[in-house]
Amino acid sequence: DVKVTQSSRYLVKRTGEKVFLECVQDMDHENMFWYRQDPGLGLRLIYFSYDVKMKEKGDIPEGYSVSREKKERFSLILESASTNQTSMYLCASSGTSGLREQFFGPGTRLTVL
Amino acid sequence: SQQGEEDPQALSIQEGENATMNCSYKTSINNLQWYRQNSGRGLVHLILIRSNEREKHSGRLRVTLDTSKKSSSLLITASRAADTASYFCATVKNAGGTSYGKLTFGQGTILTVHP
Repeated sequence: DVKVTQSSRYLVKRTGEKVFLECVQDMDHENMFWYRQDPGLGLRLIYFSYDVKMKEKGDIPEGYSVSREKKERFSLILESASTNQTSMYLCASSGTSGLREQFFGPGTRLTVL
Repeated sequence: SQQGEEDPQALSIQEGENATMNCSYKTSINNLQWYRQNSGRGLVHLILIRSNEREKHSGRLRVTLDTSKKSSSLLITASRAADTASYFCATVKNAGGTSYGKLTFGQGTILTVHP
């Protein structure tokens, strides 16, 4: 079974803090994605990576950066957390061949106070 | 704006009934996928239908795709209380080999199945 894990289920941070969200997948997938999910707005793509050290902006990259130093790990970084970044963050991965279905982690609910 | 838009936003039915959810999208697609999300959890892939397919089945799930109308429907037959969840459609744009499988999600349909 594909497994995508995220470092925390719940996280509480203060405004201005630097926040790291970690995602690890065990299926040797090339593609990895970070989304945020907000009520009434659905899932929106923040960043994605199609290879180690490669990244591309999604629909809402402002205020975020990412790092992919190893194939299995994709990190989302909030350089200076703000209250409007309070949200559910979901990581996903997919392979380059076949159906391109995405496999999701359980999510991290981040609250910025 | 979101590529996929689901309808209805919320659906409440009794166990044993069928549930139908619809999704509309705007641009040309490579494939359309349906996902389920239990409350506060990650998404689980249910089924994928390619743009050259019209209907697909998986267990109690039936998905149809009408590319001329840019719409899809998900039918869950003989629903169970355990089917209670949010259901999302997501599209992969037809962008040749450079899309990397990026998904664009709709806002979802909340399905409640009463025992």
